[in-house]
Amino acid sequence: DTAVSQTPKYLVTQMGNDKSIKCEQNLGHDTMYWYKQDSKKFLKIMFSYNNKELIINETVPNRFSPKSPDKAHLNLHINSLELGDSAVYFCASSQGYSLKDYEQYFGPGTRLTVT
Amino acid sequence: DAKTTQPPSMDCAEGRAANLPCNHSTISGNEYVYWYRQIHSQGPQYIIHGLKNNETNEMASLIITEDRKSSTLILPHATLRDTAVYYCIVRAQTGANNLFFGTGTRLTVIP
Repeated sequence: DTAVSQTPKYLVTQMGNDKSIKCEQNLGHDTMYWYKQDSKKFLKIMFSYNNKELIINETVPNRFSPKSPDKAHLNLHINSLELGDSAVYFCASSQGYSLKDYEQYFGPGTRLTVT
Repeated sequence: DAKTTQPPSMDCAEGRAANLPCNHSTISGNEYVYWYRQIHSQGPQYIIHGLKNNETNEMASLIITEDRKSSTLILPHATLRDTAVYYCIVRAQTGANNLFFGTGTRLTVIP
């Protein structure tokens, strides 16, 4: 069984559109994350959620709105897509958000291409 | 979080030990060293972490120098499936569990 799953795996869309990426984890973890990996392969944290509550927003434009309907899901909605949003987006989860919960489990990624 | 420096790339012969270095000269006393890897087109995968003692698990060993300013990840018998980008991350045991990835080392295991 897949521990952290994301849909879709690939997403191609035009500038100005609104799109969502979904993430689900079946590990029973309390904390979930979104990361962005750009074309230069830099992987950066975007958001952290713990028990459906936002913990960290790493200066991400407000066009990005994460939503956590329950502990097992963390979706990412992006409004008014821009070319610079093209990247691979990774969802991850961990047991908790303190650093004793050091191991994060990553999903397979969603490759977003904005044309 | 302390900054880390890793060589951009390394090669290793299949079946040999792969030794991946990481410098973290500004590490402070409460900061741990974590290693993750990212195989092509996949999400990062946790490997190992440590504070000051050497650590070993089923995947790798982590050797941390006595002054803690550098560490080495050792894959004892590298296989082709170990070809990946390896990230050394240093962070404190306080605050939210966010990982800050650098540029990592691209390890290529050669048949």
